[in-house]
Amino acid sequence: IVLTQSPDSLAVSLGERATINCKSSETVFYGSNNKNYLAWYQQKPGQPPKLLIYWASTRESGVPDRFSGGGSGTHFTLTINSLQAEDVAVYHCQQYHSDPPTFGQGTKVEIK
Amino acid sequence: QVQLQESGPRLVRPSGTLSLMCTVTGGSISGHYWSWIRQPPGKGLDWIGYISYSGATKYNPSLTSRFTMSMEGSKKQFSLRVSAVTAADTAVYYCARFKATTGDFDIWGPGTLVTVSS
Repeated sequence: IVLTQSPDSLAVSLGERATINCKSSETVFYGSNNKNYLAWYQQKPGQPPKLLIYWASTRESGVPDRFSGGGSGTHFTLTINSLQAEDVAVYHCQQYHSDPPTFGQGTKVEIK
Repeated sequence: QVQLQESGPRLVRPSGTLSLMCTVTGGSISGHYWSWIRQPPGKGLDWIGYISYSGATKYNPSLTSRFTMSMEGSKKQFSLRVSAVTAADTAVYYCARFKATTGDFDIWGPGTLVTVSS
């Protein structure tokens, strides 16, 4: 399964909203449990990725609620409401509907 | 709190073998799947494979048979070997815990940059 993120980069003013898209070449939805196997990660320079969201919209423990995930099937979004300076990072989507797990190419978020 | 730490040589000669170890601390290694993921400089993330506590493995089919994972559960360690390396194997290598129930990687090591160069 190929994941394509858009845009490749975006610049957003502090306090504004950032939206990142992730399109899958095949559905990542499992009808058996009504779950989309799509996760989002934040990666700051020199650090490993940090899990933000799994099952497309469930926030990992400790993740601020300004991060939200949405979508189903083949189209997904990560929204960062009220962008903070510490949110500057590269964001990756990842699927596990089928082996192998695959990642999107990443979207770089900067401050305008 | 579970933590992971990669260790191994940072420089490997072309045609040589890259060997990395991941040590699990602060929690159990059993009952989970453990992965290796790599990231070439300035590029995206590539899943290499995962291994269970029992030693069952699954590899990315897009990779060649040069990749081998093994488990040393009693030491709470698992390892990766990559044979016949080339410059294309230069990357930051991460070990990570894979959650099969939710399909994500919830805990990552800090990563180690391995450079293939003569």
